[in-house]
Amino acid sequence: GESVGLHLPTLSVQEGDNSIINCAYSNSASDYFIWYKQESGKGPQFIIDIRSNMDKRQGQRVTVLLNKTVKHLSLQIAATQPGDSAVYFCAENTGGATNKLIFGTGTLLAVQP
Amino acid sequence: EPEVTQTPSHQVTQMGQEVILRCVPISNHLYFYWYRQILGQKVEFLVSFYNNEISEKSEIFDDQFSVERPDGSNFTLKIRSTKLEDSAMYFCASTDRFEQYFGPGTRLTVT
Repeated sequence: GESVGLHLPTLSVQEGDNSIINCAYSNSASDYFIWYKQESGKGPQFIIDIRSNMDKRQGQRVTVLLNKTVKHLSLQIAATQPGDSAVYFCAENTGGATNKLIFGTGTLLAVQP
Repeated sequence: EPEVTQTPSHQVTQMGQEVILRCVPISNHLYFYWYRQILGQKVEFLVSFYNNEISEKSEIFDDQFSVERPDGSNFTLKIRSTKLEDSAMYFCASTDRFEQYFGPGTRLTVT
């Protein structure tokens, strides 16, 4: 069946360091990928997205890389700050009429001061 | 900035009771969704809704679940006879095309 999974359940980094969160997906038909940030007690918050015709996209302090050959997605956060501490989910959108999202299991990012 | 809102933030109910979770999507959005997240687990798709009808539903969305858009602003999820395993966070989301905006969620506790 289709699935999106994460390699690391917890990532601990020092403030100021760069963070890399990884995700593997299994549905080769997926054409749109999103990273969400979820803080405790809140809903998922959109961070950045990428379409399958791209391999890299940059935002403010964040970069998403897509490797379709190995079905791998990563989120890079530059100069990680305490406010970045949260659970990060990758999600894939297989398109079609509904654009439903299939979420990965989440990675907890803990930023140490 | 427009946002998705949900009420209540926390709902406690007894097994077998009916609950209605409410959402107000972003006003110009046309696609609406419900997802749920059991504590410590990933977010799971329940149902999508477009043009006043369900466009897709997951295996979780059985006959105990229903959705409705009773007016031009609200979007509701009803669980007819709650079970213990329905305890979870329920998130509403909306979009005008691809980027889905999520509400803060309703924590449903079934006792």
